[in-house]
Amino acid sequence: LAKTTQPISMDSYEGQEVNITCSHNNIATNDYITWYQQFPSQGPRFIIQGYKTKVTNEVASLFIPADRKSSTLSLPRVSLSDTAVYYCLVGASGSARQLTFGSGTQLTVLP
Amino acid sequence: NAGVMQNPRHLVRRRGQEARLRCSPMKGHSHVYWYRQLPEEGLKFMVYLQKENIIDESGMPKERFSAEFPKEGPSILRIQQVVRGDSAAYFCASSPPGQPTDTQYFGPGTRLTVL
Repeated sequence: LAKTTQPISMDSYEGQEVNITCSHNNIATNDYITWYQQFPSQGPRFIIQGYKTKVTNEVASLFIPADRKSSTLSLPRVSLSDTAVYYCLVGASGSARQLTFGSGTQLTVLP
Repeated sequence: NAGVMQNPRHLVRRRGQEARLRCSPMKGHSHVYWYRQLPEEGLKFMVYLQKENIIDESGMPKERFSAEFPKEGPSILRIQQVVRGDSAAYFCASSPPGQPTDTQYFGPGTRLTVL
């Protein structure tokens, strides 16, 4: 499974756009990139998944450059309730496998 | 459609006792996964089950831990003779058949404290 590297923590202010970058230099051809969000005392929640270029949903956008060795989760206009740990996962979609969580990025949104 | 249900939410056991953690997957989901999260760490995969079958238990400790997902009823993670190092949050996730298994839906977790 491809190893991922993310910043340990980030601070932002309400209303700002937040970009969290994840490095995955040894990503395989059939690997997808998936982001989860976890609030304290709760289970992780799926945010977004992509393979290349850009994916957008009602919560976030995911930008993946052509070499796919990194990806950036973009959260538009964050609010205090977006304070959470964000995990970047890389692996093959469509096959029965475990999810491998790293340490994640603790995002703190300040008023 | 109710989400993944786990009970109990909090469980306190003394060393040497048994802990039983229950997980009811989302309706229509036939894949169940168990993860363990130690304080300040990410989740670690333990076991992946389908109805009546263990598919992958590569993350499960070799001793004292077992898991099942019977034809009827919830999935059970059982920890025998608990030790203080078993204190952690245990999360269950489920996914539907035929869908990319990256999209797993997690329950609220069971927080196990071993005294």
